[in-house]
Amino acid sequence: NAGVTQTPKFQVLKTGQSMTLQCAQDMNHNSMYWYRQDPGMGLRLIYYSASEGTTDKGEVPNGYNVSRLNKREFSLRLESAAPSQTSVYFCASRESGNMYNEQFFGPGTRLTVL
Amino acid sequence: GDSVTQMEGPVTLSEEAFLTINCTYTATGYPSLFWYVQYPGEGLQLLLKATKADDKGSNKGFEATYRKETTSFHLEKGSVQVSDSAVYFCALRFSGGYQKVTFGTGTKLQVIP
Repeated sequence: NAGVTQTPKFQVLKTGQSMTLQCAQDMNHNSMYWYRQDPGMGLRLIYYSASEGTTDKGEVPNGYNVSRLNKREFSLRLESAAPSQTSVYFCASRESGNMYNEQFFGPGTRLTVL
Repeated sequence: GDSVTQMEGPVTLSEEAFLTINCTYTATGYPSLFWYVQYPGEGLQLLLKATKADDKGSNKGFEATYRKETTSFHLEKGSVQVSDSAVYFCALRFSGGYQKVTFGTGTKLQVIP
């Protein structure tokens, strides 16, 4: 049981390049989330998916797109990377059946945009 | 809007010292409250939680009590260890909707031998 896995762990991009961050969970959770973590700002929600086939914007969606490929996988795409997107990105998942259920986080992807 | 305010770090303590990390929140209604811990190079892990007023969450020697009257959820531990060195995040969440979690900015704790 690996929990939430993310790839890659590290990535360096040049401004304007595109890339996709991958996330997968093996806990059969319905809900999945993408956050970014910046110094002094805590975690901010980029997008979330309440269930397979649905996605919605969070607090900071501009410059990102997501795909809920199936119940296990939720990817985050940067179409044209900008230096402001340098951050650590965390994926999380949660079983939505009980309102007290916690979110489980992946280990993160550290992205640098030059 | 909802917000969480934590004490600024870093907090540096000697091993076996008493720890308090303050957390207060602003929210309409009664959210669930959480403390998450992030060890170096890892994702966040749930440390403890409380879902209603006067609940006490506890785990691994850490405790926090949901205080509605002061809108606070301070984290405490009686005797810290070097292995407790990490960043601690206070967070709140309402039920319903997509269960949005609002995080504080995090407090870095360094415990020295």
